[in-house]
Amino acid sequence: QKEVEQDPGPLSVPEGAIVSLNCTYSNSAFQYFMWYRQYSRKGPELLMYTYSSGNKEDGRFTAQVDKSSKYISLFIRDSQPSDSATYLCAMSGDTDKLIFGTGTRLQVFP
Amino acid sequence: SAVISQKPSRDICQRGTSLTIQCQVDSQVTMMFWYRQQPGQSLTLIATANQGSEATYESGFVIDKFPISRPNLTFSTLTVSNMSPEDSSIYLCSVATSGRWADTQYFGPGTRLTVL
Repeated sequence: QKEVEQDPGPLSVPEGAIVSLNCTYSNSAFQYFMWYRQYSRKGPELLMYTYSSGNKEDGRFTAQVDKSSKYISLFIRDSQPSDSATYLCAMSGDTDKLIFGTGTRLQVFP
Repeated sequence: SAVISQKPSRDICQRGTSLTIQCQVDSQVTMMFWYRQQPGQSLTLIATANQGSEATYESGFVIDKFPISRPNLTFSTLTVSNMSPEDSSIYLCSVATSGRWADTQYFGPGTRLTVL
């Protein structure tokens, strides 16, 4: 079993839709949870960072962490074609080593 | 933040040869890392490049196959040695700009390697 599971998609939604991206994990020692966005032929860029459980909002993006269920989510409101990218979840514990999901490819069509 | 450049951006190489990838950062950084991103697979840490000492390799990666140098706080190289088609992948340099890695990692654009 992988430490981090993420549905690869692709996920195709119309412009303006609410998008929900999710990851599950097995290691209860994870405390830091990140979402990266990766455009085609580019490196990943940090989008959201959350420590421990709870919610964090930044503009159209909301990250949620449920440590009891070992489940994290990223919500994108009012999705735009420019949001089309691959979204990677990542997490780490005391070692600081990042463990990534495989990424979910998102396409937002006009 | 940090601006990271990698050279080459892509290359096509023959089996049995070696390729050295360069990573340059626009400012001094605490940590530098090398990752591999294979199609359909997770971004995987190869090693941590330590300035002035030998790199720290993750399980499954060895120095003879992936020698790494870090001569200063802004530059590192990764060599992929004695390549086989299984080494075809995107190789990414990453840096951490503070002592806490989790929320201060920035990635370069990657080097797309194809081995024939």
